[in-house]
Amino acid sequence: GQSLEQPSEVTAVEGAIVQINCTYQTSGFYGLSWYQQHDGGAPTFLSYNALDGLEETGRFSSFLSRSDSYGYLLLQELQMKDSASYFCAVKEGTDKLIFGTGTRLQVFP
Amino acid sequence: DADVTQTPRNRITKTGKRIMLECSQTKGHDRMYWYRQDPGLGLRLIYYSFDVKDINKGEISDGYSVSRQAQAKFSLSLESAIPNQTALYFCATSDPRVEKLFFGSGTQLSVL
Repeated sequence: GQSLEQPSEVTAVEGAIVQINCTYQTSGFYGLSWYQQHDGGAPTFLSYNALDGLEETGRFSSFLSRSDSYGYLLLQELQMKDSASYFCAVKEGTDKLIFGTGTRLQVFP
Repeated sequence: DADVTQTPRNRITKTGKRIMLECSQTKGHDRMYWYRQDPGLGLRLIYYSFDVKDINKGEISDGYSVSRQAQAKFSLSLESAIPNQTALYFCATSDPRVEKLFFGSGTQLSVL
């Protein structure tokens, strides 16, 4: 079967940098995605890594190491609006996305 | 207007009742999904469909059924609702050329 592990909660202050890790165990791995979900809202796409390395999109970056079955989401210059839950998700085969249990990020002033 | 629309937004029902959650999309995507979200458990895949004639079970399909009435419409049914089906349900669509899911606003279902 498949499993994804990520910390349940992370706290940081405005302006800081935070890293949310995700380790996975799955068959037929195709890629790792990250989604953000604010309280009461729908998940929204942040990034997708199919190959090893770092992908940067503004203040957010995502990293993947396929050999280590590991990835992380890096959030820089944290803002209060970044307080949300962050989910890693593994693409299994060509068709479905399996989500982790989520990391709740709280940003303090 | 939202690209992925779920109805109703909230629903309270009783144990044993049949209930249908509906999803429609204007994105023109062939792929549609139903996920369930419970606190601390993340999002779990119930069913997915790649076109009108294609229906696939996800991680937790027991107790649920789906219907893909058209490319734009994908409904989820609970034939006989039970309290542990109380959850937030999300419909999503995707374009296989872009590794990205687009979610609806969700339906909060409570089974009493």
